[in-house]
Amino acid sequence: IAGITQAPTSQILAAGRRMTLRCTQDMRHNAMYWYRQDLGLGLRLIHYSNTAGTTGKGEVPDGYSVSRANTDDFPLTLASAVPSQTSVYFCASSEGEGLDNEQFFGPGTRLTVL
Amino acid sequence: GQNIDQPTEMTATEGAIVQINCTYQTSGFNGLFWYQQHAGEAPTFLSYNVLDGLEEKGRFSSFLSRSKGYSYLLLKELQMKDSASYLCAVLVISGNTPLVFGKGTRLSVIA
Repeated sequence: IAGITQAPTSQILAAGRRMTLRCTQDMRHNAMYWYRQDLGLGLRLIHYSNTAGTTGKGEVPDGYSVSRANTDDFPLTLASAVPSQTSVYFCASSEGEGLDNEQFFGPGTRLTVL
Repeated sequence: GQNIDQPTEMTATEGAIVQINCTYQTSGFNGLFWYQQHAGEAPTFLSYNVLDGLEEKGRFSSFLSRSKGYSYLLLKELQMKDSASYLCAVLVISGNTPLVFGKGTRLSVIA
C-alpha cells in the first residue's frame, strides 16, 4: 500500500442496507477525515479523527458513524442507507493531530443508494 | 453560521494570469486552505495561509486578508493542465464543524 486507499471504488446499495466504506493509510498520519462531495454543494466534512482512539463530528454527521481503533484505518459506516446518501466519499489524512495540516486524499468511493 | 463564497466558473487563456477569489464569514478563523481538484480525481493541497499577506509557491500564489475575510489564489503562466476546480476551505475556531469548504471554482483554460 502506498499513501491512502479506499474500498470499494464504487457501490450500488439498496436503501435500508448497512454499508461500511474502508479507508487505510500507510503514512502513519495522526489525523483522518471523511468527506462527501455532491454536485453544487462541494466537499462537506462528515467525521474526523485527530488521533487513534478519538473522533469528532463534522458538518454533516447524521446517518454516519466512524471508529478509529488504530492509526491506519478509519472506516465509515452507514447503518441504514438512504438515497440522500448517494455521493462520492473521500477519505483523507494529515500528519499532525490538528486540522491545520495538509490533507492527503484517497481516490474516493462512488456510492449510489437506490 | 459559516459562509464561504467563490465564483462558480472562470475561463482564462493559456499563458495568462488568473485570480480566484474567496470570501468568508465564519465564527472564528484559524486559517485558510486552497486545494486543486481535477475532474474525477481527488483534491490535492496547494496552500495554507494563517497570517495576512502573499505566499508564493512557483506559478501559484495565495493571499490572505483576515480583517477583510478575503483570500485569493493567483495562477500565473496558465497551462492547459491548470483546468480544474479550485477549492477554498476555512479552518474555524468554534462552531459545529472545524473545517468548511466553499463550493469550488471551476477554471477552464483555453488556447
